[in-house]
Amino acid sequence: NAGVTQTPKFQVLKTGQSMTLQCAQDMNHEYMSWYRQDPGMGLRLIHYSVGAGITDQGEVPNGYNVSRSTTEDFPLRLLSAAPSQTSVYFCASSYPGMNTEAFFGQGTRLTVV
Amino acid sequence: GESVGLHLPTLSVQEGDNSIINCAYSNSASDYFIWYKQESGKGPQFIIDIRSNMDKRQGQRVTVLLNKTVKHLSLQIAATQPGDSAVYFCAENYGGATNKLIFGTGTLLAVQP
Repeated sequence: NAGVTQTPKFQVLKTGQSMTLQCAQDMNHEYMSWYRQDPGMGLRLIHYSVGAGITDQGEVPNGYNVSRSTTEDFPLRLLSAAPSQTSVYFCASSYPGMNTEAFFGQGTRLTVV
Repeated sequence: GESVGLHLPTLSVQEGDNSIINCAYSNSASDYFIWYKQESGKGPQFIIDIRSNMDKRQGQRVTVLLNKTVKHLSLQIAATQPGDSAVYFCAENYGGATNKLIFGTGTLLAVQP
């Protein structure tokens, strides 16, 4: 099983550029989410989705867009990258319902210069 | 790659000793708590969870204790091994059925051979 797959693993962007971080899961999980991790800090929730066609904001949504057209995929878009978005980004998925284990991808390390 | 352990509290233990990692959580209404292990360059990996109606749960070599009175979690690792070296995060579910997680800042566990 591939689990949660994130691409790319590394990316360098110039300020103002746009890009999409890809996330795919093959576990038929309805819940998917995006987190960012900065040095010395825990993960912070950016956006999440409870199913195809349904998305909502997390703790730090500004500067990011998401969509969920299929159960498997949950891309994260940066429309105009800023140096403050330099971080490691993690995608996670889980089964629906309360208190279910979240599975994380390996992360995408993004640097904005 | 860049270490997520930079600027984190560090617990240094000898191989074979027991480790205790502590965490204070923020929301008294949170009803589900999880401990994650994160090795360098990887995504968080589930270790053990506990629901708010419990005060202790044991797994293989790990025990989680929950004190709701003071909003405190601890993770105990028995007979710590070099492979246990990683950053450990506690997380609380503040989103109920949507499984939104708030992560602590993490503790770096360094196991000395």
